[in-house]
Amino acid sequence: QKEVEQNSGPLSVPEGAIASLNCTYSDRGSQSFFWYRQYSGKSPELIMSIYSNGDKEDGRFTAQLNKASQYVSLLIRDSQPSDSATYLCAVKSGAGSYQLTFGKGTKLSVIP
Amino acid sequence: ETGVTQTPRHLVMGMTNKKSLKCEQHLGHNAMYWYKQSAKKPLELMFVYNFKEQTENNSVPSRFSPECPNSSHLFLHLHTLQPEDSALYLCASSQVSGGFEDTQYFGPGTRLTVL
Repeated sequence: QKEVEQNSGPLSVPEGAIASLNCTYSDRGSQSFFWYRQYSGKSPELIMSIYSNGDKEDGRFTAQLNKASQYVSLLIRDSQPSDSATYLCAVKSGAGSYQLTFGKGTKLSVIP
Repeated sequence: ETGVTQTPRHLVMGMTNKKSLKCEQHLGHNAMYWYKQSAKKPLELMFVYNFKEQTENNSVPSRFSPECPNSSHLFLHLHTLQPEDSALYLCASSQVSGGFEDTQYFGPGTRLTVL
């Protein structure tokens, strides 16, 4: 059974701070990792994807991957109230695999 | 994101009704997916179609019946549902190329309530 674990939160950070969201996964053969943002009542929206160990930066967002530790994280710098949402970690095994396994999500609240 | 559209956005049905959910993708992708999202549970993959062929069916009850007439359209036919089937049903699409980087893009979802 492939599992993706996230702290459900809520995670509260003050405006302007760094929000750190963490995710661990059980399938050591996983190759592709995605972070989605989901506002209440809306559908998931892709924030970042990462495939190699290390950091990947896109604007205020940085994804970090450590395959040896089976750990992926998302850092949000200069957090804004508009970042308040649930962040979903998703993991895909192997090239050509269709199956995305999602975590339950971490709810982030950015306090003005 | 208007690349993947879903209708209706909201649906209320009785347990004896038959209804259908529709999904259309305008991204030129070759794979389409149905997911179920219930409160306090992770997104659950229900069905996958690649080039109109169903490739995965994750032990979904037969009261859910998918149909994929072409690579741009996907339907989910519903009949004799149960109240526990009330959830957000999400359609997604991706371009599957055999590599790692095919990303799934989601439609806005259909909020289904079964009375």
